[in-house]
Amino acid sequence: EIVLTQSPAALSLSPGERATLSCRASQSVSSYLAWYQQRPGQAPRLLIYDVSNRATGIPARFSGSGSETDFTLTISSLEPEDFAVYYCQQRRNWPLTFGGGTKVEIK
Amino acid sequence: EVQLVESGGALVQPGGSLRLSCAASGFTFSNYWMNWARQAPGKGLEWVANIKSDGSVKYYLDSLKGRFAISRDNAKDSLYLHMNSLRVEDTAVYYCARGLESTPNHFDPWGQGTLVTVSS
Repeated sequence: EIVLTQSPAALSLSPGERATLSCRASQSVSSYLAWYQQRPGQAPRLLIYDVSNRATGIPARFSGSGSETDFTLTISSLEPEDFAVYYCQQRRNWPLTFGGGTKVEIK
Repeated sequence: EVQLVESGGALVQPGGSLRLSCAASGFTFSNYWMNWARQAPGKGLEWVANIKSDGSVKYYLDSLKGRFAISRDNAKDSLYLHMNSLRVEDTAVYYCARGLESTPNHFDPWGQGTLVTVSS
C-alpha cells in the first residue's frame, strides 16, 4: 500500500497569504496524484488531478506541482472560503489511498 | 447539474447488515466508473471500493473484501454498497463519488454522504 504523508498537519495563515502544502509518497506515484478540499460539514471537492490539472470550476489561485514522491499544492492568495482541510490522493496502485490531511486555519 | 444523493445510512448493531444507495442524475451514469469512500468521525478519507461503468470490474479495499460488495443498476442510475458483518470501526460517513472520465480513479463530484453508525 502506498502511504501518503501530508505536512504540515495544520497551517495558520491570514487571508491574502500564500499557502504551501506538501504530500510525500512512500513510493513513486508517477504523476497520478490529486488534491481535494473539504470544508467543515461538506463533502470533499476535487481541486487538482494528475499533479497539476485544475478540475472544472477551480480558481487559478490553486496550483499543483511535483512528481514521483514529492508533491505540492499552492494557494497563491488565500480567500476566506479556502480555510478548510486538504487531502492528497494517489491512483498509481491499489488500494487507492489518501493522505491524512492538512488543515488550513485562519490566523 | 451533476448530482449524487446517498441514502440508507442508519444505526445498526455489530454483526448487522445494511445497503447504501446512491442516486445519480445530470450525467450519463452508464459511462462512468463509480466509487464509495468513507470518513470516520473526525478522521480522514478512506477509499472503499469502485466499479467499472458496465459493472464488469470491481476493486475493494483488501480489509473489506468478503464483507462489503459494490454493485450498480445502470437502468436506474444507481450505485449500491452492500455491507455485512458490520463492526464498530465501520462507523463513518459513506460517500459515493464519480470517477473522472479521463482518469477514473480520481473522484469528482462527491455526494453529500450518508452516516452509518455501528453500535450496540
